[in-house]
Amino acid sequence: DAGITQSPRHKVTETGTPVTLRCHQTENHRYMYWYRQDPGHGLRLIHYSYGVKDTDKGEVSDGYSVSRSKTEDFLLTLESATSSQTSVYFCAIRLGWADTQYFGPGTRLTVL
Amino acid sequence: RKEVEQDPGPFNVPEGATVAFNCTYSNSASQSFFWYRQDCRKEPKLLMSVYSSGNEDGRFTAQLNRASQYISLLIRDSKLSDSATYLCVVGYDTGNQFYFGTGTSLTVIP
Repeated sequence: DAGITQSPRHKVTETGTPVTLRCHQTENHRYMYWYRQDPGHGLRLIHYSYGVKDTDKGEVSDGYSVSRSKTEDFLLTLESATSSQTSVYFCAIRLGWADTQYFGPGTRLTVL
Repeated sequence: RKEVEQDPGPFNVPEGATVAFNCTYSNSASQSFFWYRQDCRKEPKLLMSVYSSGNEDGRFTAQLNRASQYISLLIRDSKLSDSATYLCVVGYDTGNQFYFGTGTSLTVIP
């Protein structure tokens, strides 16, 4: 258990509304990631962080922003949700440069 | 072209069978390789890392072929509990990026 929680676990929202997903870790890991998983695409990286206030874009960052003001929390924000952002969102942490990733339980987001 | 490609399956095999999955990757600069297991509606979990010399963990054997740019996973003596989707993951030393395959579905039948 890598001590990762995600909230909310499920959310239904309407097009055009802002949404923030939270990833929380308990073990002070430096690297944190946000992915989305869709049928036929596998997991795709949205944004990642390599320290407090240090973030960078991933493969599918358009329409998403992130913030990391504390080591333990990595927030993903959809400023104006669209139906194409309906997906399962996974947060992950990595212990160090040479290590693999460990995933949180996921958030199922539906945008109507 | 996708960075990582896998045969989606499904693979339906009887208990006790041996099954193999392959995964190809497009970037020869890839540095790290992993197999993950994902159960339905759950998060991916690390099954094993893949090392250049090949490695084994119980009934599971992983191989890496850098020349042909593929990795493989062999499962021997399949159990019902092996039923899941297996994800191939490739990482790069620069850019902090990991690329995931779409997964191969395995169902082990009694």
